Amino acid sequence: GQGVEQPDNLMSVEGTFARVNCTYSTSGFNGLSWYQQREGHAPVFLSYVVLDGLKDSGHFSTFLSRSNGYSYLLLTELQIKDSASYLCAVREPNYNVLYFGSGTKLTVEP
Amino acid sequence: EAAVTQSPRNKVAVTGGKVTLSCNQTNNHNNMYWYRQDTGHGLRLIHYSYGAGSTEKGDIPDGYKASRPSQENFSLILELATPSQTSVYFCASGLRQPNSDYTFGSGTRLLVI
Repeated sequence: GQGVEQPDNLMSVEGTFARVNCTYSTSGFNGLSWYQQREGHAPVFLSYVVLDGLKDSGHFSTFLSRSNGYSYLLLTELQIKDSASYLCAVREPNYNVLYFGSGTKLTVEP
Repeated sequence: EAAVTQSPRNKVAVTGGKVTLSCNQTNNHNNMYWYRQDTGHGLRLIHYSYGAGSTEKGDIPDGYKASRPSQENFSLILELATPSQTSVYFCASGLRQPNSDYTFGSGTRLLVI
């Protein structure tokens, strides 16, 4: 398997930004995915990154540093509805298996 | 619309009983996966399959069996359910290509008493 670590909780303020961190140690690496999960619902795909650097997708951006085993998800212009859990998952080279971190619960306050 | 459907949505089982969780996908995806999700552990991989007739062990296979009789169907079987298997179970399907998204089912909430 893979070791994927995320902080449990993160709080931020509406209209500002939040950075969700993820570190990983892997025996194989074929990219990293981010998912959003609301309470009682299935995870929803946000982004996939495999090359180093910042990938800007508007409201969500993702950064990857393979040499450091580090990624983050950046949410800008936060809204209350962005409150959710954000899951980081490393893709293993064979069969596209995803290994998930425990998720970071983001709370956006007014 | 392509989808992943899990049944049942909720299940109460007795310790020692047999439980079968079903998953059906209409995405024509090769790969299918079973995860369980518990507070503090995130999604943990139980079993996966890369095609009809194949099953592979994930990180936590003990106490679970899997069956993939067809491209569309992937079942998770608990032969002798225990209270420690109380959890939310998610099925997902995906392609072999690494940049393809998983499609998740809505989950099955299992309580073993």
